[in-house]
Amino acid sequence: ETGVTQTPRHLVMGMTNKKSLKCEQHLGHNAMYWYKQSAKKPLELMFVYSLEERVENNSVPSRFSPECPNSSHLFLHLHTLQPEDSALYLCASSQERPEEVYEQYFGPGTRLTVT
Amino acid sequence: EDQVTQSPEALRLQEGESSSLNCSYTVSGLRGLFWYRQDPGKGPEFLFTLYSAGEEKEKERLKATLTKKESFLHITAPKPEDSATYLCAVQAEEYSGAGSYQLTFGKGTKLSVIP
Repeated sequence: ETGVTQTPRHLVMGMTNKKSLKCEQHLGHNAMYWYKQSAKKPLELMFVYSLEERVENNSVPSRFSPECPNSSHLFLHLHTLQPEDSALYLCASSQERPEEVYEQYFGPGTRLTVT
Repeated sequence: EDQVTQSPEALRLQEGESSSLNCSYTVSGLRGLFWYRQDPGKGPEFLFTLYSAGEEKEKERLKATLTKKESFLHITAPKPEDSATYLCAVQAEEYSGAGSYQLTFGKGTKLSVIP
């Protein structure tokens, strides 16, 4: 495996289900991100982990719960979602360096449909 | 608040017909401006990082330029395989508490190149 991988690629869940999205990066990076991409809207940053510590939470509803057990793996736990949560969920990683600009590399995304 | 506006929303070109995509931005201090390409159902693919006004970068038929207020992605003699959505994102210089890791994305320009 190379780059950033995400599983599953597609997920359909009911509003009362609990599911998890998984992301793994094979780039040796030290930061990982979750984004939400909805039609006609810019990418929205949900969570950031740097060196396995959460550093960002953009007022995301508590029905989304991130977990970062190590620098290579990132999870997004989902429960009691709403239909408006249907979107493409993207994982990204980067190598953060002090005083330097760093690009983020994205996975292929998980297409989530909430019924 | 950082803002990124991309225009046009959609662009149809004949194969070989050169054109430019625009990314206008408002940011307190620019650390970097990023261009990504996104194919349907996939995650964004990193193209370029620009750091300061006057900078230019090229990759095959693409050339990105940067001024103090906007960036252009010039596409020379496009081919059908250049069809994709092109995303622009900025990273601010000042740590805002929301995280210097944060990228602010535009909504993208959907490019279609017709054979």
